[in-house]
Amino acid sequence: GAVVSQHPSRVICKSGTSVKIECRSLDFQATTMFWYRQFPKQSLMLMATSNEGSKATYEQGVEKDKFLINHASLTLSTLTVTSAHPEDSSFYICSAPSGGSYNEQFFGPGTRLTVL
Amino acid sequence: AQRVTQPEKLLSVFKGAPVELKCNYSYSGSPELFWYVQYSRQRLQLLLRHISRESIKGFTADLNKGETSFHLKKPFAQEEDSAMYYCALSGRGAQKLVFGQGTRLTINP
Repeated sequence: GAVVSQHPSRVICKSGTSVKIECRSLDFQATTMFWYRQFPKQSLMLMATSNEGSKATYEQGVEKDKFLINHASLTLSTLTVTSAHPEDSSFYICSAPSGGSYNEQFFGPGTRLTVL
Repeated sequence: AQRVTQPEKLLSVFKGAPVELKCNYSYSGSPELFWYVQYSRQRLQLLLRHISRESIKGFTADLNKGETSFHLKKPFAQEEDSAMYYCALSGRGAQKLVFGQGTRLTINP
């Protein structure tokens, strides 16, 4: 099956700094990728849809200036958490659709962000 | 509004017993329903989707439009079924997924 990778798997940063998380589709191209946030013992909350070559589409309540998304190529989307604060600490997961008729999403392993 | 509800956060059954994970949805159009599973220390992966009407690892799920439900069932639970299960919905032909809260299934030996 298709593989989606994320880097880094874990990051710890100081409050006020910015952190970049990469999401790559390893063996397929993805014009669209999705970014989710997962709080401990809670479900995945869709943050935004990353679109290759155009602006990302953000879900209601998600600050686009805080969570910058760039989909520079057909295999790479990046999420930058700007001026991170402790409340941004979470598990961030990306996914990419397979492109087939069944709309299967392939998920990355996630990135654990801890803001001190 | 799109919404997926999984009423049980935790479900524990004995090995060999039947299992049913409940999922109800709210959607104004024609939805596509999915079950995703996350085993311990692994990433989220697709278990099954209503369109394909398949049985995966002994699990089945039937879309009941009248009850707006998509419950996941397995007649005889196995220990390796212990995992976190998420019901998810998308619009027909759309890619964006809305997830339920998830149910942690534990199969006791």
